[in-house]
Amino acid sequence: ETGVTQTPRHLVMGMTNKKSLKCEQHLGHNAMYWYKQSAKKPLELMFVYNFKEQTENNSVPSRFSPECPNSSHLFLHLHTLQPEDSALYLCASSQEGSLNTGELFFGEGSRLTVL
Amino acid sequence: GDSVTQMEGPVTLSEEAFLTINCTYTATGYPSLFWYVQYPGEGLQLLLKATKADDKGSNKGFEATYRKETTSFHLEKGSVQVSDSAVYFCALKAGGTSYGKLTFGQGTILTVHP
Repeated sequence: ETGVTQTPRHLVMGMTNKKSLKCEQHLGHNAMYWYKQSAKKPLELMFVYNFKEQTENNSVPSRFSPECPNSSHLFLHLHTLQPEDSALYLCASSQEGSLNTGELFFGEGSRLTVL
Repeated sequence: GDSVTQMEGPVTLSEEAFLTINCTYTATGYPSLFWYVQYPGEGLQLLLKATKADDKGSNKGFEATYRKETTSFHLEKGSVQVSDSAVYFCALKAGGTSYGKLTFGQGTILTVHP
């Protein structure tokens, strides 16, 4: 299995739908993240989880709701999205600690299209 | 705040040409520096990294040297291949920062023609 797995790879939803993105990491890492990648913009860090506890929320609208039930799984619940939310959503994990440089390991992403 | 600036793309080269993608940064403390690559339809993969000044990261024929005096981490490859066509991201993690706080550049699209 690859280190970080994301499902679904592609998702099309209407503005009134509710859907979820799933991420699973098989690397034994202690931190997980959601990033948003939009065309012609730098990657945007959305949420950070450390040992299942959310440590950062970068002013993300409440229509995005993360959930981290354990250190290996991360979800992003989506509801009442806007067309401008269409993007590639990347999950990542890392092993954080004083002896680690904290490089991120990314999944392949979930391509979201909001109609 | 921290920032990373990459050269504007897209960059188009012929196979076996020399590649340079410039990256400069602004950060407090002593950051770690990274290059990530994103192939079409995939997520980002770590290409190479350097954690202190004068370190040289290398992988798959790519190299980058951490230059503190010029705050740069330029990516180079002596002879590119068609399979190197991808988007390249320079990133930093400032020393002592909290989890996952990588700051990315905007990415540089590289296209290599046969």
